[in-house]
Amino acid sequence: EIVMTQSPATLSVSPGERATLSCRASHSVIINLAWYQQKPGQAPRLLIYGASTRATGIPARFSGSGSGTEFTLTISSLQSEDFAVYYCQQYNNWPPGTFGQGTKLEIK
Amino acid sequence: EVQMVETGGGLIQPGGSLRLSCAASGVTVNNNYMAWVRQAPGKGLEWVSIIYTDGRTYYADSVKGRFTISRDNSKNTLYLQMNSLRVEDTAVYYCARSLLGVNDYWGQGTLVTVSS
Repeated sequence: EIVMTQSPATLSVSPGERATLSCRASHSVIINLAWYQQKPGQAPRLLIYGASTRATGIPARFSGSGSGTEFTLTISSLQSEDFAVYYCQQYNNWPPGTFGQGTKLEIK
Repeated sequence: EVQMVETGGGLIQPGGSLRLSCAASGVTVNNNYMAWVRQAPGKGLEWVSIIYTDGRTYYADSVKGRFTISRDNSKNTLYLQMNSLRVEDTAVYYCARSLLGVNDYWGQGTLVTVSS
């Protein structure tokens, strides 16, 4: 099973600034990597798939990059509604599609 | 508009059984890969099970032999039969459409609490 490791566990950033979240896979997942956003009491929402393709309706301030084992989610200018927990998930070796443990993005 | 509504959660004693339902609209259950993902309180996401369009099913090792995923095409509903429940199965259970592993539509979740 591929293990996904996200860093940092918590990231404190001020509104309007850039946030950079990292995800590392224990083995190459090529570009079969998705990112999800989850707010308290809500279901996860798909943000990015194929490592860099935004899902329908996702604002352009969200961007994904990387391939192989190293991936990044960047939020270019944080809005108040962006503070949430973010999960990466690999689907190269699937099922199961293993998730990272999450990064909590909090207001600084 | 795609909507998926999970029901069937609740409080159950260890060793008990529960069946979760996921009623879908805007997406046809038997024409899509459909999955269950769970989240223990305060924890991350854990993939549980999936059913393919051809009926093949897969399970996480943690639930294999205890959980069964199925669907009713006439009701456009996905199910998760959970037997021999353990305390560690306590979680919010989400159903999701899975596009070759990418979960693009999710229900709001139903809470299962296993406790004596």
